[in-house]
Amino acid sequence: NAGVTQTPKFQVLKTGQSMTLQCAQDMNHNSMYWYRQDPGMGLRLIYYSASEGTTDKGEVPNGYNVSRLNKREFSLRLESAAPSQTSVYFCASSDWDEQFFGPGTRLTVL
Amino acid sequence: KQEVTQIPAALSVPEGENLVLNCSFTDSAIYNLQWFRQDPGKGLTSLLLIQSSQREQTSGRLNASLDKSSGRSTLYIAASQPGDSATYLCAVGWGGGNKLTFGTGTQLKVEL
Repeated sequence: NAGVTQTPKFQVLKTGQSMTLQCAQDMNHNSMYWYRQDPGMGLRLIYYSASEGTTDKGEVPNGYNVSRLNKREFSLRLESAAPSQTSVYFCASSDWDEQFFGPGTRLTVL
Repeated sequence: KQEVTQIPAALSVPEGENLVLNCSFTDSAIYNLQWFRQDPGKGLTSLLLIQSSQREQTSGRLNASLDKSSGRSTLYIAASQPGDSATYLCAVGWGGGNKLTFGTGTQLKVEL
């Protein structure tokens, strides 16, 4: 079992460019999440999907969109990247309570 | 709004020492509390999950306690080893457990 996988591992964008971060889990979990981690601020929830077909905003959703493609996959899209979106992005999944995290995507927006 | 605080931000101890990491939260109406470990440049590894109805959980040399009424949790690490060096994060679950609010972590260094 790979657990939670994320692609790409690293990405550099120019301001205004768009991109999609991919996440997949093979644990048959119902819920999936996207977080961002910034120095001194801890991890903050961007969006989550409690089950296939549903998505909800978290603490910092502005500038992002998500798609729950199927039970396994949950993508995060930046339509017009801004330097403030420079961060490390983590995807996570859970069935009931315990959340399991992917290795992260380090994104730099110039 | 739930706020989670971890003190100290950094801690350095000699190998073999027993140590306690602290986590406090402002709203006691929590669903659960989870402790994670994060190595530099890596993702988060779940260490322990405590349900709101529980007082503590143990895994190997790790013991986590929860006191909802005082808004506090502690992670006890026995006989620390250099391999325990990492950042330890606590996260409080709320909203049915779907949402986690994280602390900013304690960076632990265990020296030989």
